[in-house]
Amino acid sequence: KQEVTQIPAALSVPEGENLVLNCSFTDSAIYNLQWFRQDPGKGLTSLLLIQSSQREQTSGRLNASLDKSSGRSTLYIAASQPGDSATYLCAVLGDYKLSFGAGTTVTVRA
Amino acid sequence: SAVISQKPSRDICQRGTSLTIQCQVDSQVTMMFWYRQQPGQSLTLIATANQGSEATYESGFVIDKFPISRPNLTFSTLTVSNMSPEDSSIYLCSVEDRSGQGSPHNYGYTFGSGTRLTVV
Repeated sequence: KQEVTQIPAALSVPEGENLVLNCSFTDSAIYNLQWFRQDPGKGLTSLLLIQSSQREQTSGRLNASLDKSSGRSTLYIAASQPGDSATYLCAVLGDYKLSFGAGTTVTVRA
Repeated sequence: SAVISQKPSRDICQRGTSLTIQCQVDSQVTMMFWYRQQPGQSLTLIATANQGSEATYESGFVIDKFPISRPNLTFSTLTVSNMSPEDSSIYLCSVEDRSGQGSPHNYGYTFGSGTRLTVV
């Protein structure tokens, strides 16, 4: 069974600092990895999708890397803003099922 | 990518009652997925709903408690039956995002805005 772990569980930084969020998974036989953002009590917004053959994806201030062989992905958010405060979830796709981590809750202090 | 409208966004219900959650997609999709997110936890897949066939439930979830309808390729409902406080969660529907690469192995997923259920 796929296990997905996200470290740290919570993170508080001053505005402008870069954020580094980690995701690890136990079974490297994945098709892709997706990073999501979730605001309190709300649904999930997709941020980045990395295919298993890719090493990284970028969108604006967001960059996600994938090291499939070691079972790791990292989400970088540059120059954080208070609006980046949310919970960030990673999910891996294997056998047509998504397995989610528990998330990292980020607070960006103004 | 597909856009999903999910209703209601939140509800407070009495124990022993049932609540039906609706998801409408702006395009035809083969499979729709229903998830539960208990307080402070990550997402757990409840079932996969295919049009024209019975939903497939994950271990720990049963049809009597979470009946699902899938009358067409753009709509699905999940009912939470005979509710207890332990059913207080966020419920989300999801579909594959087929706007990118052609192979199902490359699909990402799109989620509805969630239904925040509190059972008192």
